[in-house]
Amino acid sequence: EDKVVQSPLSLVVHEGDTVTLNCSYEVTNFRSLLWYKQEKKAPTFLFMLTSSGIEKKSGRLSSILDKKELFSILNITATQTGDSAIYLCAVTSGNTGKLIFGQGTTLQVKP
Amino acid sequence: NAGVTQTPKFQVLKTGQSMTLQCAQDMNHEYMSWYRQDPGMGLRLIHYSVGAGITDQGEVPNGYNVSRSTTEDFPLRLLSAAPSQTSVYFCASGRAFSYEQYFGPGTRLTVT
Repeated sequence: EDKVVQSPLSLVVHEGDTVTLNCSYEVTNFRSLLWYKQEKKAPTFLFMLTSSGIEKKSGRLSSILDKKELFSILNITATQTGDSAIYLCAVTSGNTGKLIFGQGTTLQVKP
Repeated sequence: NAGVTQTPKFQVLKTGQSMTLQCAQDMNHEYMSWYRQDPGMGLRLIHYSVGAGITDQGEVPNGYNVSRSTTEDFPLRLLSAAPSQTSVYFCASGRAFSYEQYFGPGTRLTVT
């Protein structure tokens, strides 16, 4: 059975801290891994990773995929209160557009 | 472009009632999906479609029906609502082979 597991499930940090969110997966016919941010409404897209070892960056956020060890990490440096959200990891399997989501990591950044 | 739209935003049903959640997209995307989100469980796939006339089941399809008669629309029908279907429902769409999906604003459903 396809499975995506995120850790930790919740995290509380202070502004300026650096956080690392983890996502491991077991899926047949892996195609890509995606990270989404959700702030009390619909998830919004952050990154899509398909190749191992290539870091994707956007401002203070970065992510990398390890296809051999079947995991990805999402790093957020110099966190701000606006980074408080649920971060969702999802994996696509095959060419159907199906997304298999992890449970999400709830990040709270305190001033 | 309006993107992905969902109606209604909120709905309260009594056990046993039926209803349809509407989803539409104006991006000509081939893929459309329905997810439900419950606390601590991420998003779980209910049904999905890879094109008009083609649908398939996801992880949690029981109690739900879908159809895809046009590229734009992908309604989700609850046949006989149960309290276990209380959840937030998201519709998403995406281009074939692009893997990224765009989410609608969600429908919060409460079944009493």
